[in-house]
Amino acid sequence: NAGVTQTPKFQVLKTGQSMTLQCAQDMNHEYMSWYRQDPGMGLRLIHYSVGAGITDQGEVPNGYNVSRSTTEDFPLRLLSAAPSQTSVYFCASSYPTGIEEQYFGPGTRLTVT
Amino acid sequence: EDQVTQSPEALRLQEGESSSLNCSYTVSGLRGLFWYRQDPGKGPEFLFTLYSAGEEKEKERLKATLTKKESFLHITAPKPEDSATYLCAVQGGSNYKLTFGKGTLLTVNP
Repeated sequence: NAGVTQTPKFQVLKTGQSMTLQCAQDMNHEYMSWYRQDPGMGLRLIHYSVGAGITDQGEVPNGYNVSRSTTEDFPLRLLSAAPSQTSVYFCASSYPTGIEEQYFGPGTRLTVT
Repeated sequence: EDQVTQSPEALRLQEGESSSLNCSYTVSGLRGLFWYRQDPGKGPEFLFTLYSAGEEKEKERLKATLTKKESFLHITAPKPEDSATYLCAVQGGSNYKLTFGKGTLLTVNP
């Protein structure tokens, strides 16, 4: 198993550009989520999904869109990048049995200039 | 709103010098408290889940304990390879959301 994979590892965008961060898992996990990690702020939940076709907002959803068309994939879209979205983004997945540890991907470091 | 506070922010130990990291939390209906380890440039790696006060779990030199208000991660005779940021998170209520603390950066010098 590859676990949770994320692409790209690094990305530089100009303000106003759009892009999609990719996340895939091969563990047949129903639950997937996106976090951002900023210095001094800890990990903050952006969006999450409890299954294909079901998504919900987390703590900091503004400026981000998600969709979940398959169990394996959970892409995060930035429609119009802003410097405040400079961060490290982590995707995670787990079984949705209520209380399960999450498996994290390696992260995408995004810089918006 | 669930809250997690970790202390200290940073801790420097000599190899073999045991210590503890603290995670204080407020949550409505604790469903689970999680400890993760994060190495520089990598995603968090799961260590433990604790479900109820009084529970303890161990893994090698690490031992996690839980009370109704806080959790401790005890590190016994640490080695340099234990150097990492340790994250605490809670899951409360009837949802799947995790609330993370800001972490404790542990450095173990040889």
